[in-house]
Amino acid sequence: KNEVEQSPQNLTAQEGEFITINCSYSVGISALHWLQQHPGGGIVSLFMLSSGKKKHGRLIATINIQEKHSSLHITASHPRDSAVYICAVGPNTGNQFYFGTGTSLTVIP
Amino acid sequence: DAGITQSPRHKVTETGTPVTLRCHQTENHRYMYWYRQDPGHGLRLIHYSYGVKDTDKGEVSDGYSVSRSKTEDFLLTLESATSSQTSVYFCAISETTFGEQYFGPGTRLTVT
Repeated sequence: KNEVEQSPQNLTAQEGEFITINCSYSVGISALHWLQQHPGGGIVSLFMLSSGKKKHGRLIATINIQEKHSSLHITASHPRDSAVYICAVGPNTGNQFYFGTGTSLTVIP
Repeated sequence: DAGITQSPRHKVTETGTPVTLRCHQTENHRYMYWYRQDPGHGLRLIHYSYGVKDTDKGEVSDGYSVSRSKTEDFLLTLESATSSQTSVYFCAISETTFGEQYFGPGTRLTVT
């Protein structure tokens, strides 16, 4: 049983396209995180959400607590956005994050 | 960038040998985590620490032990390495239980 499901698993886009990555979860949460991992690289935190919407540059993250769903949007995608995007949820009981298996994004020039 | 380092960054070892990975932070964060990352599985928690000498098991803790004798260091030991423990290991830190996590650069471990 996977508490966090991401879709799609793989995504290829042309430079400039609007991209959406989805995350659905099955537990009550205290926080949801979006992480980015470049090929061969480390992992960085993009957003931490408990409600609503956050924006950082061309990246937007939204969360719908009632529907247990979050989306990560990338506007005007660029090849440097090529990475794996990981959704992680901190449940409202317990001490361990649940991680999605990631969405691998490739942006073609 | 958060001050978090891992050592070694790469290691090749033989089945049956003990291995210790080190995570060092300069941020004075309370929580420290060890994850492994394998294709098709995503990140999986091995052990975590919520303070000096306070540790708990994660979902894949069998074959691993940890120690935290001071705030800045969290050690992961593979007591007798097996090929199934070939993986990339990440350390992470956070100030609060589900606060923003800062990840180390990772250690690629190969057990032959």
